Amino acid sequence: NAGVTQTPKFRVLKTGQSMTLLCAQDMNHEYMYWYRQDPGMGLRLIHYSVGEGTTAKGEVPDGYNVSRLKKQNFLLGLESAAPSQTSVYFCASSLRPAGANVLTFGAGSRLTVL
Amino acid sequence: KQEVTQIPAALSVPEGENLVLNCSFTDSAIYNLQWFRQDPGKGLTSLLLIQSSQREQTSGRLNASLDKSSGRSTLYIAASQPGDSATYLCAVSWGTSYDKVIFGPGTSLSVIP
Repeated sequence: NAGVTQTPKFRVLKTGQSMTLLCAQDMNHEYMYWYRQDPGMGLRLIHYSVGEGTTAKGEVPDGYNVSRLKKQNFLLGLESAAPSQTSVYFCASSLRPAGANVLTFGAGSRLTVL
Repeated sequence: KQEVTQIPAALSVPEGENLVLNCSFTDSAIYNLQWFRQDPGKGLTSLLLIQSSQREQTSGRLNASLDKSSGRSTLYIAASQPGDSATYLCAVSWGTSYDKVIFGPGTSLSVIP
């Protein structure tokens, strides 16, 4: 039971570099989400997807882009990394909308931007 | 503005104690509330989900209660064990759509053997 898998688990970037975080789920969930977790602030929604080929902005979308070309994968991209994007990123998925259903989370990806 | 707070930020108790974790929220018109557990370096694991029409939910040694009128939920852990050490987060939903879930900052629990 893989559930939600995130890669990579750790990454260090220099300011201005780009990278992509990959989220894969094997539960046939329609809804997928990217959150960031910062100390003392809880999880904040970056972008989400309500199905294959769809994406939408969450609470803190600036500086990030996403794509969902396949139902099982949700990619989070940083085109030009900034130190303010140092954080732990979590991907989650759910069968129905997050507000109505239990979320299944990945283990997280820790990103440091120097 | 809809907000979720958790106080205290950290809690340390001796093994065997019963304990209560608190979650407060603004706007009592919630849809549901979830409690999650997060182990260091890991993702979040759902513990209990309480619908707005419910007053409490129980799972093993865990009991979560909901009082919408006062904007509070509590997570009661009975007979705490060192394995309960983790961060506990609550997440409140004010609707069924994706962007209506707001997470609290969490309470870091340490159970001392």
